[in-house]
Amino acid sequence: SAVISQKPSRDICQRGTSLTIQCQVDSQVTMMFWYRQQPGQSLTLIATANQGSEATYESGFVIDKFPISRPNLTFSTLTVSNMSPEDSSIYLCSVKAHGRAEETQYFGPGTRLLVL
Amino acid sequence: AQKITQTQPGMFVQEKEAVTLDCTYDTSDPSYGLFWYKQPSSGEMIFLIYQGSYDQQNATEGRYSLNFQKARKSANLVISASQLGDSAMYFCAMRDSVWSNFGNEKLTFGTGTRLTIIP
Repeated sequence: SAVISQKPSRDICQRGTSLTIQCQVDSQVTMMFWYRQQPGQSLTLIATANQGSEATYESGFVIDKFPISRPNLTFSTLTVSNMSPEDSSIYLCSVKAHGRAEETQYFGPGTRLLVL
Repeated sequence: AQKITQTQPGMFVQEKEAVTLDCTYDTSDPSYGLFWYKQPSSGEMIFLIYQGSYDQQNATEGRYSLNFQKARKSANLVISASQLGDSAMYFCAMRDSVWSNFGNEKLTFGTGTRLTIIP
């Protein structure tokens, strides 16, 4: 499995501001994903970060609110824009390793975001 | 429609006992993958075990095993000899294909079961 790190691990932000979350992997991976976990809830996929092309967003999530970058095969960022208290969540990136079928997704440690 | 159902919001189990966490799923596709993840209070998601729909045998990983009953569409996680460190949230998830390839990577998660191990 890949080793995944996220920065920051947690943050407290004011409404109306934006926060960029970084996800770094220790090996090249074909696909990276961003999930949101609202308090007491399950995980919901925000988007798939594609290297060299635009991210693919799930229903209910838009690029203006959650812009994503994927400049190379080991790094991605998710920005939470114009934040409101409803954006308070854990944001997790995950990766699919390169090659095999029947692969799983491995998750980073998450970023805990509180918006006041 | 919800594809993954975990009916046990919380469970309390005595240390060293075995525990079964329930998961049922709904799909009409013959090809799918089922996963279990553990989420401690720290928030990270730890992959535990995987079962493909075409696998003939139940998956096992150390103290974890998956009781896969395809006809009943259930994929229960069994933890043998529970330990205090097993206390966490447990999520069942499904991918809409056994084969991981572009376009069908999305994992759909259940609502989770909070497991508490009692000393």
